[in-house]
Amino acid sequence: EPEVTQTPSHQVTQMGQEVILRCVPISNHLYFYWYRQILGQKVEFLVSFYNNEISEKSEIFDDQFSVERPDGSNFTLKIRSTKLEDSAMYFCASLQDLNQPQHFGDGTRLSIL
Amino acid sequence: GESVGLHLPTLSVQEGDNSIINCAYSNSASDYFIWYKQESGKGPQFIIDIRSNMDKRQGQRVTVLLNKTVKHLSLQIAATQPGDSAVYFCAETSGAGTALIFGKGTTLSVSS
Repeated sequence: EPEVTQTPSHQVTQMGQEVILRCVPISNHLYFYWYRQILGQKVEFLVSFYNNEISEKSEIFDDQFSVERPDGSNFTLKIRSTKLEDSAMYFCASLQDLNQPQHFGDGTRLSIL
Repeated sequence: GESVGLHLPTLSVQEGDNSIINCAYSNSASDYFIWYKQESGKGPQFIIDIRSNMDKRQGQRVTVLLNKTVKHLSLQIAATQPGDSAVYFCAETSGAGTALIFGKGTTLSVSS
């Protein structure tokens, strides 16, 4: 069964540095999402992306964050000037069409030191 | 009157029992609801979904019930197995393809 894949599985970064989290959505999917989950808390929406542009974003997704689909397969989340509170699991999800559920990857654990 | 199931952060059951996990959703405009299962170190895994024009949907060993009057969603797991142990989240959305809003998770522990 096709899967959403995310790399790396764990990223450790010094505070203030930039990180790029990578996702390969399911190949025929058209809608892409990033969510985050702080340890022990519920999953929170960050941003959705369709047709090479952001379609929706939450209050969390401020100027520190950006997303990009640099080619036909990758979908990235960039976090600039990382802060301690950015430490979380970051999940990528993709969707084939609007009548289907979103499919999630296994996440990247981001640890900011 | 009708009772509304309370959200419990944890639920412990014996193997073979039926489990009921409850969720209160927030937006009366939500029209699509999904239950996800999250195992340790993994991402949310789709279990079952339901649209607002239905009040019940069944899958293999799982049933989702939707009560729009009280904005309540429940997941029933029949004959619970140790492999069902995980955190279960409900999620809602108010438009096709829009952001999923997740509820608080319930940790299901199944002992054999």
